[in-house]
Formats: sequence, structure tokens, C-alpha cells
Amino acid sequence: QKEVEQNSGPLSVPEGAIASLNCTYSDRVSQSFFWYRQYSGKSPELIMSIYSNGDKEDGRFTAQLNKASQYVSLLIRDSQPSDSATYLCAVNSGVSGGGADGLTFGKGTHLIIQP
Amino acid sequence: IAGITQAPTSQILAAGRRMTLRCTQDMRHNAMYWYRQDLGLGLRLIHYSNTAGTTGKGEVPDGYSVSRANTDDFPLTLASAVPSQTSVYFCASSDSGVSGANVLTFGAGSRLTVL
Repeated sequence: QKEVEQNSGPLSVPEGAIASLNCTYSDRVSQSFFWYRQYSGKSPELIMSIYSNGDKEDGRFTAQLNKASQYVSLLIRDSQPSDSATYLCAVNSGVSGGGADGLTFGKGTHLIIQP
Repeated sequence: IAGITQAPTSQILAAGRRMTLRCTQDMRHNAMYWYRQDLGLGLRLIHYSNTAGTTGKGEVPDGYSVSRANTDDFPLTLASAVPSQTSVYFCASSDSGVSGANVLTFGAGSRLTVL
């Protein structure tokens, strides 16, 4: 059973600070890693994807991947109240072994940005 | 239609009844998925389809069936609904021609209550 673990939170961060979200995964052969944001009552939306070890930056967001440690993180700089949401870590699950084999999701971390 | 359309948005259903959740995408994505999301359990894959004419089982397929007659449509059927199938159901799609590069786009979700 492939697993993706996240701290459920809530994680409370002051406005303007850096929010750090963490995720570990069990399957060493996983190749693709994603962060989705989900507002209450809404569907998940993609924020970041990362496929190689190291950092990937996109605006205020930075994804970090360490395959040796089976660890992926998301940093949100200059946090805004609108960043308050649940953040889902997702990993390529390899259900079918082909290209379209879905993702395994963590249960999500609830982030609260305090004004 | 833009993206993924799910119907119905919400439904209350008596146990034992048959129900089909509809999903249509206009992005010509080859792969489609059905997930259910439950509080405390996160998103779990029910069924997937790599391409029209093929389907596969995900993590929680029991009690559900799918079909993929064409690229655009991927209905999910509950043959005889039970209360444990009360959940929010998300349809998703991806255009993943390369293994490990599947980025999922989600529909708005269907909230199903089985009494």
C-alpha cells in the first residue's frame, strides 16, 4: 500500500511569514510529485509539480524534493490570508504502470494565515 | 463546457438505489479518474481509465463501476448504493503521454448522500 503522509494541522502562520508544508512518501520508485490547494467546498487545484531533486520556484511558492529521504515540501513566502486552505501532497502512484496511472494523495494539511 | 463538468452537483439517494454520476471533459485528455473524498481519509482513487475503451481499478473500487465509451465521458455507477458511499466524488483528467508526468485537472465535485 503506497502511502503519502502529511501533518493534518492546522498550521497557523502570521501574515507575511513563510509557511512550510511537509510530506513524506513510501514508494521509492515514485517519479512525480505535486502540491494541490483545496479551499473549503471546492475542488483541488494544482499549485506546483516537481520531478527532480532540488528546488523549484514559482512566484511565492517553492517546492523542494529529496528522493533519497522520500520527502517533498512546499514553502509559501509572504503568506497571505488568501493562502488559507488545505494543501494536498500527491505522488505518482503507478497503479497501471503506464503514463496515466493516477496519483496517491496525502490527507492534507490545513493552513491558516493569521492577518 | 470548459474543463470538466460533473453532474449532479448534489444528490440525496435512498440505500439500494442505482445512481450514475456523470463526468464530461472537453480537453481531449486521454486519461480520466474518479476519486472520493472523505473527512479524515483524504482523496482515494476509485477507478481510472488510461484511454477510451480501457478501465482499471483504483484503491477503493468495490461497489462502483465505470465505462469509457469515448474520450470525453467517464460515468461512475453505484449499482446499489449503501450509506458508506456517502462522500464527495471528484472526476479528474490528465493528458499524460509520458509516464510519471500526469497532472490532474479536477471537476467541481458531486456530493452524494445515501440514506
